[in-house]
Amino acid sequence: EVQLLESGGGLVQPGGSLRLSCTASGFTFTSYAMSWVRQAPGKGLEWVSAISNAAVSTYYADSAKGRFTISRDNSKNTLYLQLNSLRAEDTAVYYCAKVLGGSFPLIDYWGQGTLVTVSS
Amino acid sequence: EIVLTQSPGTLSLSPGERATLSCRASQTVSSSYLAWYQQKPGQAPRLLIYGASSRAAGIPDRFSGSGSGTDFTLTISRLEPEDFAVYYCQQSRTFGQGTKVEIK
Repeated sequence: EVQLLESGGGLVQPGGSLRLSCTASGFTFTSYAMSWVRQAPGKGLEWVSAISNAAVSTYYADSAKGRFTISRDNSKNTLYLQLNSLRAEDTAVYYCAKVLGGSFPLIDYWGQGTLVTVSS
Repeated sequence: EIVLTQSPGTLSLSPGERATLSCRASQTVSSSYLAWYQQKPGQAPRLLIYGASSRAAGIPDRFSGSGSGTDFTLTISRLEPEDFAVYYCQQSRTFGQGTKVEIK
């Protein structure tokens, strides 16, 4: 069974930083690209970032470029998202997601999400 | 940048009725990278359809997807109580704004 468990969310002041983590199990982590998608309270889904299976390629939404960094540690089956220079509009549930093989960046499995709140 | 427009915003139907949800792209897109997701309150989204018309594993056959070019459709043939939720389409890195299917 595929499981994705996010952690690292919380309350942070504007301009602050957080690092989100996602521990994966139930599939061969090294074989799949991974992604982060966020959802502001009461709003729709927004694709944020993705990384290829070997971490050779990374991709970002315009809203994330220059502020967020995606990475992965294949030895630990863990995906990361470093969030810097956070703004109020970054407040959202951040979902870790497994990319559907051969259909990048569509998603076949989602974690339960971790809430990031940016507020003073 | 591609924009996906879903309609209607809200669909009010009764159990047993047919639901037809639309996802329109602002330009021609590849159907290979078109997906539909279901999201219930407090839950993560769930993949229903990928490649515009292929059902994901474990998805009941009352869910079907169709379309090409700029116009895509998700059809739920007979609504079950558990189908009342918000549905999103995705094409590549873009999501639609969602359609809420609510009980009439």
